[in-house]
Amino acid sequence: AQSVTQPDIHITVSEGASLELRCNYSYGATPYLFWYVQSPGQGLQLLLKYFSGDTLVQGIKGFEAEFKRSQSSFNLRKPSVHWSDAAEYFCAATPPRQAGTALIFGKGTTLSVSS
Amino acid sequence: DTAVSQTPKYLVTQMGNDKSIKCEQNLGHDTMYWYKQDSKKFLKIMFSYNNKELIINETVPNRFSPKSPDKAHLNLHINSLELGDSAVYFCASSQQQGRGAFFGQGTRLTVV
Repeated sequence: AQSVTQPDIHITVSEGASLELRCNYSYGATPYLFWYVQSPGQGLQLLLKYFSGDTLVQGIKGFEAEFKRSQSSFNLRKPSVHWSDAAEYFCAATPPRQAGTALIFGKGTTLSVSS
Repeated sequence: DTAVSQTPKYLVTQMGNDKSIKCEQNLGHDTMYWYKQDSKKFLKIMFSYNNKELIINETVPNRFSPKSPDKAHLNLHINSLELGDSAVYFCASSQQQGRGAFFGQGTRLTVV
């Protein structure tokens, strides 16, 4: 079955430190991949997406993600975390070029930022 | 201008009542969705409409009925509300089905 796994439920990072959030997918073919952020009481905001091509994708708010086919991973990174980055992060995927599909989400990773 | 807007943002109601949540998008997208986020923050697709046609209808109780009067609007009507329906419901839209979606702010439904 198609699935998205985020192995880390909760991560705490010091302000100014680097961040990496992990995401693994299980699909027959390489899916389209996404990272979303949800701040408390807010909707989901799209950080970045990967469809094909360059495996290092740049997003908003200084985030980037790297697609690794061999590891079925799409990890999110940020070189220096700010206190305002504390939020819930969701990795999502959808099969490419298929009608009748929607995003499948991982269970999310809660990011806390310590001062 | 808000791209995907939902109303109301909060909804508190008693068991057995019927309620509706409205969603509108001004992005010109063809596809709209309803997702449910449970208390553990897990997001799951409920319905998807493409140009007013129902495309995805996941295993959802038939008390939930989506309606799309036009491609910019997708409403969710819930009959005979139950305690287990308490959740945050998100509307979303996308230009092409299967591509990244833009989400509304969510409607927090509490059934008491």
